[in-house]
Amino acid sequence: ETAVFQTPNYHVTQVGNEVSFNCKQTLGHDTMYWYKQDSKKLLKIMFSYNNKQLIVNETVPRRFSPQSSDKAHLNLRIKSVEPEDSAVYLCASSHRGREQYFGPGTRLTVL
Amino acid sequence: GDSVTQTEGQVTVSESKSLIINCTYSATSIGYPNLFWYVRYPGEGLQLLLKVITAGQKGSSRGFEATYNKEATSFHLQKASVQESDSAVYYCALSEGTNYNVLYFGSGTKLTVEP
Repeated sequence: ETAVFQTPNYHVTQVGNEVSFNCKQTLGHDTMYWYKQDSKKLLKIMFSYNNKQLIVNETVPRRFSPQSSDKAHLNLRIKSVEPEDSAVYLCASSHRGREQYFGPGTRLTVL
Repeated sequence: GDSVTQTEGQVTVSESKSLIINCTYSATSIGYPNLFWYVRYPGEGLQLLLKVITAGQKGSSRGFEATYNKEATSFHLQKASVQESDSAVYYCALSEGTNYNVLYFGSGTKLTVEP
């Protein structure tokens, strides 16, 4: 039963374009996250949001920005994509620092 | 910084044979990190397999076990008898005792169980 939803599943775009990925969780969790999984399958934290406050930002380029309307939604915007942004982006949520639940991921290909 | 190193690449095991996927970690916090194994089955999302938050303890789930060994800084995943349905990608991960919001993952190990 999926409780963390991500859209789209796949996205192909050109260098320099802007993209936005959506994430919604129905678990009532207080914290949401974005992870990036690169071509080497390495999973790294990008952002986390707790009650609309950014908690973690691991040296992510400024062209990336998280956007949250409420604690159930955390979108990811990339202002001007670069080839190295091609990856799978995973959204996750957790409650009070407990285990994280992940969405299915959005695969981005930058041509 | 924090890091996790696990058996790299792919592992192929025959059904009913035993399995071990190695995981060692390095953590910078004063206390001990929380340790996790996550799994991604084909066509599914990443999900928690097991976790251990106390050094010396063992976690288990679906026949898999992992023991938190703080002396060796290891958290190896083991199963006595694998099944085809265990074919998946397994990730070892840690979170700091002082910052539960960040998960640091290993590179993942793809397990293929042959009939």
